[in-house]
Amino acid sequence: DQQVKQNSPSLSVQEGRISILNCDYTNSMFDYFLWYKKYPAEGPTFLISISSIKDKNEDGRFTVFLNKSAKHLSLHIVPSQPGDSAVYFCAASNWGGSQGNLIFGKGTKLSVKP
Amino acid sequence: KAGVTQTPRYLIKTRGQQVTLSCSPISGHRSVSWYQQTPGQGLQFLFEYFSETQRNKGNFPGRFSGRQFSNSRSEMNVSTLELGDSALYLCASSLDLTANTEAFFGQGTRLTVV
Repeated sequence: DQQVKQNSPSLSVQEGRISILNCDYTNSMFDYFLWYKKYPAEGPTFLISISSIKDKNEDGRFTVFLNKSAKHLSLHIVPSQPGDSAVYFCAASNWGGSQGNLIFGKGTKLSVKP
Repeated sequence: KAGVTQTPRYLIKTRGQQVTLSCSPISGHRSVSWYQQTPGQGLQFLFEYFSETQRNKGNFPGRFSGRQFSNSRSEMNVSTLELGDSALYLCASSLDLTANTEAFFGQGTRLTVV
């Protein structure tokens, strides 16, 4: 039973346009959500996070939106750059329950074309 | 500040052997988690250690074990290796379990079982 789902295995976007990566979750106990970016042969790199008490968090070109009622979050990258091409993982955790482990989605491979 | 260090980076073992992987967390971080990444399953949680105690465990067989030392360094061991254990094993460190702190990943150990 997959608790965190990224239904799009891949996404292709033109440079300068917006990239929108989506993530759905099923466990209502999740209270902290993170996005990681991963290049081949490297470990995931933390990108941005959001607590369940917020519905939006912005950091430069990256914005994460959280819709708790729909159990859905999305990562917006504006404008997209070729260097953003990587696999993006959505992750969730139940920090309030001291469940520090992250539950990951299977990732979405983003390709930004020049 | 040094990042998370995992050794070795690459490893080839034969079926039936056992293997030990090492992880040195970021200085000051007390929580270490291990994940297995495979193409089909994505990133899956193995276990988490905090102050030398295993706090959480994922859904993996008993052949997978780990420990954490007083300096927060952690090792994971896989006994009686199977072909399906071939994967990238990632270690992540974070400050502690309770705060909303991000996990920082190492580059991983690529294990190939032949």
